[in-house]
Amino acid sequence: SQQGEEDPQALSIQEGENATMNCSYKTSINNLQWYRQNSGRGLVHLILIRSNEREKHSGRLRVTLDTSKKSSSLLITASRAADTASYFCATDRTDSWGKLQFGAGTQVVVTP
Amino acid sequence: SAVISQKPSRDICQRGTSLTIQCQVDSQVTMMFWYRQQPGQSLTLIATANQGSEATYESGFVIDKFPISRPNLTFSTLTVSNMSPEDSSIYLCSGLAGGDTQYFGPGTRLTVL
Repeated sequence: SQQGEEDPQALSIQEGENATMNCSYKTSINNLQWYRQNSGRGLVHLILIRSNEREKHSGRLRVTLDTSKKSSSLLITASRAADTASYFCATDRTDSWGKLQFGAGTQVVVTP
Repeated sequence: SAVISQKPSRDICQRGTSLTIQCQVDSQVTMMFWYRQQPGQSLTLIATANQGSEATYESGFVIDKFPISRPNLTFSTLTVSNMSPEDSSIYLCSGLAGGDTQYFGPGTRLTVL
């Protein structure tokens, strides 16, 4: 069963705009990881945030984690056409270390 | 980041046959896993590949259908047995490196006719 739910399911923006997607989960976690997938290919690891962290940055990516609300958000700033992809959150639960449970994903389309 | 490779990258198979997918990881990886991504859906964990012993399967997946081997630390295989069109999916292996970061291979896109 899927641990996480993501919203929105789909997001269409123009180049230069920011894209925000959210992920909610149900149980205690060790960490939460965000991935990108282009056209059904392999997953590219974007960023990991641990349960004791609240915010992390990597280039144009900003991730927040609110363990009290069991939710996370991924912000992509100044989006580019190359950011067009599906984005997934995945949780590493405290009761099953290493076994990731994925959200349904957000499909992002960035138009020039 | 850990380097993970898979082969084949894609295959088209006939109903009733079996396909073995290979996964090679670099030495940073400790744990290895196999996931399935059905068309238009998210990823679901099939099993944990244990070195030198039987894999640990998740609910809904069984060894007879998805036998897995991991003869050494850096190599694993997943076989999809007696295939049906419902097995058409992307199969991905992953490896845990650096304690908690999980990296994925490029995936194997399987189509069963």
